[in-house]
Amino acid sequence: DAGITQSPRHKVTETGTPVTLRCHQTENHRYMYWYRQDPGHGLRLIHYSYGVKDTDKGEVSDGYSVSRSKTEDFLLTLESATSSQTSVYFCAINSPNTGELFFGEGSRLTVL
Amino acid sequence: AQSVTQLDSQVPVFEEAPVELRCNYSSSVSVYLFWYVQYPNQGLQLLLKYLSGSTLVESINGFEAEFNKSQTSFHLRKPSVHISDTAEYFCAVSEAGGTSYGKLTFGQGTILTVHP
Repeated sequence: DAGITQSPRHKVTETGTPVTLRCHQTENHRYMYWYRQDPGHGLRLIHYSYGVKDTDKGEVSDGYSVSRSKTEDFLLTLESATSSQTSVYFCAINSPNTGELFFGEGSRLTVL
Repeated sequence: AQSVTQLDSQVPVFEEAPVELRCNYSSSVSVYLFWYVQYPNQGLQLLLKYLSGSTLVESINGFEAEFNKSQTSFHLRKPSVHISDTAEYFCAVSEAGGTSYGKLTFGQGTILTVHP
C-alpha cells in the first residue's frame, strides 16, 4: 500500500450543499493530486499541490477549491455541489524517483 | 497540451489468446508514457512506463508496450491473456522532464474482458 487514505469513501448529498473530500498520505511526498473519473472521459486532473499552501489548477478546476495546510493532508472542496460533480474522485501522490503515481481507493460522490 | 486516444472502448478476448490495446497520443513536446490498470472498485495501478531509453518496456506480469515516436503510439500487448487480466486499462501521457510526472492526461480507458 502506498499509504493513501481517502474519506469519505461514499457520499450522497443534495445540490447546493458544500462537500469536502479528504486525502491523507503517510509517505511524506511533496506532490499530491485530485482527479475525477467519469465514464468515457478517463481521469481528469482537478487540482494539484506541490507543497504546503502551494496549489495549482488542473484541467477541470471550475467549481472546486483545494487546501493543503500540512504535508500529509490535501482537501478538495465543492463549495456548492452540482449534479455534474457526481463522480468518483481519486487522490494520488507522486514518486519523484520513479515517475509513478500512487492512487487512493477513491471517493464516490453522488449529488442529487 | 497533450491528448490521448484509446482506440477501443471494449476488447473481448478468449483466455490464452493474444491481445493489443491501442493508444495514440498528441503532443508538441517530449512526453512520458504510462499504462495504468484498474480492477473493479479499486484505484489505478501502474502497469508500465516509458520515460527514456529502450522503446520497448515490459511489466512483471507479461504485458509490454512499445513507444513509437513517428506514429505517436504506445500500444499495449500481451501474447497470452488470463482471466485475471480482466480490468480497465488506461493510457496516459505527461510532459517529459522536471516534476510533471503526476500531471497526467488520460485516455478514455479500454475495458478488457477475458472469457474462458
